[in-house]
Amino acid sequence: DQQVKQNSPSLSVQEGRISILNCDYTNSMFDYFLWYKKYPAEGPTFLISISSIKDKNEDGRFTVFLNKSAKHLSLHIVPSQPGDSAVYFCAASIMNNNDMRFGAGTRLTVKP
Amino acid sequence: KAGVTQTPRYLIKTRGQQVTLSCSPISGHRSVSWYQQTPGQGLQFLFEYFSETQRNKGNFPGRFSGRQFSNSRSEMNVSTLELGDSALYLCASSSTGGNTIYFGEGSWLTVV
Repeated sequence: DQQVKQNSPSLSVQEGRISILNCDYTNSMFDYFLWYKKYPAEGPTFLISISSIKDKNEDGRFTVFLNKSAKHLSLHIVPSQPGDSAVYFCAASIMNNNDMRFGAGTRLTVKP
Repeated sequence: KAGVTQTPRYLIKTRGQQVTLSCSPISGHRSVSWYQQTPGQGLQFLFEYFSETQRNKGNFPGRFSGRQFSNSRSEMNVSTLELGDSALYLCASSSTGGNTIYFGEGSWLTVV
């Protein structure tokens, strides 16, 4: 069963604009959420995370928002750059349990 | 600090054969997880090992197995290969109590 869902398989934005990637989850036990970025022929790279005690975490151009009541999180990239073009995976787990569940990924294309 | 190392990077096997993939975690990391990535399916959790014990297991048939050695290195084995087993197999490691997992570059398996 798909406990983590990324309903948009692809997203295209213009360089300099904001990219918003969305993720929904169904298991209310999840309390730790992460975003990974993946280039072709490489393993996923950790980007940013957030625990359920927060509703926002920021790291440079990347901000993750968590809405626990809606079981929804989003990743904002501002400003978007062509090098951000990659597949982004949302992941969720229960703290200290490495059984991490991933969404199917969203392919982001940032056009110059 | 060296990252997660997976070998081999690419391999081709015939239906019915078996395959063993190897993973060396980041130095000091004791948890090793394995994931399968197929197009459109995201990352599917296979299993997680900690201190040579399988701690978590995903929803895969018994043909998929793994083990972890005392030096935290891990192997996964797939027996009686099927065409549908063609995928990118990713290994990830995390530190004791850590919640973020770090991926290797993966092993591309093609079953013909």
